[in-house]
Amino acid sequence: KNQVEQSPQSLIILEGKNCTLQCNYTVSPFSNLRWYKQDTGRGPVSLTIMTFSENTKSNGRYTATLDADTKQSSLHITASQLSDSASYICVVRDSAAGNKLTFGGGTRVLVKP
Amino acid sequence: DARVTQTPRHKVTEMGQEVTMRCQPILGHNTVFWYRQTMMQGLELLAYFRNRAPLDDSGMPKDRFSAEMPDATLATLKIQPSEPRDSAVYFCASGLVELRNTEAFFGQGTRLTVV
Repeated sequence: KNQVEQSPQSLIILEGKNCTLQCNYTVSPFSNLRWYKQDTGRGPVSLTIMTFSENTKSNGRYTATLDADTKQSSLHITASQLSDSASYICVVRDSAAGNKLTFGGGTRVLVKP
Repeated sequence: DARVTQTPRHKVTEMGQEVTMRCQPILGHNTVFWYRQTMMQGLELLAYFRNRAPLDDSGMPKDRFSAEMPDATLATLKIQPSEPRDSAVYFCASGLVELRNTEAFFGQGTRLTVV
């Protein structure tokens, strides 16, 4: 069964500090992995997409990494801002028929001043 | 700007009542997803349409839930009769499956409370 596990479930960081979120998956065959940011009361919004051949991709202060061999991804937030407070969801697509998405449970990040 | 539009944004209803949630996908997108999000379960796929045809609705309780796409600009999710355990945020997302790395664009969600 395809699964996506995220850790930690939640974390609190001080404004200006860095943090790293983890995502481990068992989805196969792998197509791509996205990190979504979901603000409270809003729908998820895509931050980055990683395909099999990509190791690192940045979007502003967000940097995602992918190790397709170990089936792990991370999302690093640099110099956190209050607006980074949100849930971050790792989503993996398989390349089989249907191209299903498997969602992780998310990491809830709270940035404190 | 192009966005997925969901109505209503909030719905409070009594147990046993019928609830209909509507979604207008982004124009030109041929794939529509319905998701349910709760604190306990996170995001769960309920149904998935491609070119208006249902491809997968295995995540949906068949006895009370139904999903349709009467035309390319409207997707509906209906619950009849509603139960308190249906309380959740229901998201609609649309995408263009022909693009290999297509992104699913999410609407703002419908927050449903069944009392």
